[in-house]
Amino acid sequence: NAGVTQTPKFQVLKTGQSMTLQCAQDMNHNSMYWYRQDPGMGLRLIYYSASEGTTDKGEVPNGYNVSRLNKREFSLRLESAAPSQTSVYFCASSEAGHNYGYTFGSGTRLTVV
Amino acid sequence: DQQVKQNSPSLSVQEGRISILNCDYTNSMFDYFLWYKKYPAEGPTFLISISSIKDKNEDGRFTVFLNKSAKHLSLHIVPSQPGDSAVYFCAASVRGDYKLSFGAGTTVTVRA
Repeated sequence: NAGVTQTPKFQVLKTGQSMTLQCAQDMNHNSMYWYRQDPGMGLRLIYYSASEGTTDKGEVPNGYNVSRLNKREFSLRLESAAPSQTSVYFCASSEAGHNYGYTFGSGTRLTVV
Repeated sequence: DQQVKQNSPSLSVQEGRISILNCDYTNSMFDYFLWYKKYPAEGPTFLISISSIKDKNEDGRFTVFLNKSAKHLSLHIVPSQPGDSAVYFCAASVRGDYKLSFGAGTTVTVRA
């Protein structure tokens, strides 16, 4: 029972490079989310997808794009990485309207040099 | 501007004693509150929650208290165990909204 799977677990990028963080869930959840965790800031919402086919900006969307590829997969893309995007990124999923049921992936630690 | 605040970055407690974690919020529209627990190199996991229609919810060693007038909630862990050493995040949401707003987290260390 995998839950939410994120790849890769670690990544080092040079400033200006691009990359896509992958996320897949096997719980048939409708809603998916991308958060970043920074020291002293907690978890901040980047983008979310309430249901397949929809995406919306969260609190800190600048510099990111997302794709809800299907019900299972929700990817996060950095088009031109900046050192300020060094962070730990978490993907999560939940049933629609059940915001207490977030299931998180184990995170991607991204360093931009 | 963070709407959910955990003003204590860390807490150290002796095994067997009570751990009290505090959380304050500014958005009066929040009506559902949650605590998540996070171990290193893992994602946060749901611990306990409370609706705004209640002032207390208990689950085993964990109890959450809500004071709506003060916009304050707390998590009590009794008794504290070494396995409770983790980062605890307070989170809140508005009715009908999918999104959670998180606090900065409190690192709890339980000493043997």
